[in-house]
Amino acid sequence: DVKVTQSSRYLVKRTGEKVFLECVQDMDHENMFWYRQDPGLGLRLIYFSYDVKMKEKGDIPEGYSVSREKKERFSLILESASTNQTSMYLCASSDSSSMNTEAFFGQGTRLTVV
Amino acid sequence: DAKTTQPTSMDCAEGRAANLPCNHSTISGNEYVYWYRQIHSQGPQYIIHGLKNNETNEMASLIITEDRKSSTLILPHATLRDTAVYYCIPLGSNYQLIWGAGTKLIIKP
Repeated sequence: DVKVTQSSRYLVKRTGEKVFLECVQDMDHENMFWYRQDPGLGLRLIYFSYDVKMKEKGDIPEGYSVSREKKERFSLILESASTNQTSMYLCASSDSSSMNTEAFFGQGTRLTVV
Repeated sequence: DAKTTQPTSMDCAEGRAANLPCNHSTISGNEYVYWYRQIHSQGPQYIIHGLKNNETNEMASLIITEDRKSSTLILPHATLRDTAVYYCIPLGSNYQLIWGAGTKLIIKP
């Protein structure tokens, strides 16, 4: 069974903390994505990566960075967490060989910044 | 990127077919139409996708109009577990899914 695994289901952090959200996929996919989801705003793309050590900004990259040192792992970093980063974070992966292939999502990490 | 229009919400009786429409009149020729759903507090789940032809799998059927400006997702025998938000999303050569608000489908007993 193919899987995208996010390291935490729920996370509570303090304002100003550095936060790491980890995502691992076991499908040897080239593409990996980080989204955040907020009520009324839908899923918004933060960053994505087409290959190891490559990253591209999505629609809302401010306040975030990413790391992709290995193909299977894509990390989202909040350098200094703020309350407006309280959200559901979703990781996804897909095969880059064609558009005729679906993306697989993790279960999400619900982050609360207090 | 193509924009989509979907009803905000729909109801369907359990056991009946649920037909979810999507308008994607600005879709380009090489963009696939993908459907995902998201059950409350879970990650999105892939349902089906297509380019020009109608498609069917174990979950659903996808009917795409000949001009590709709209499509309909059909859940043939809806169950209570099909209650979710359903997203219709074009996917282009940048491999990025652009998410709209989706349709909240409520299956009623």
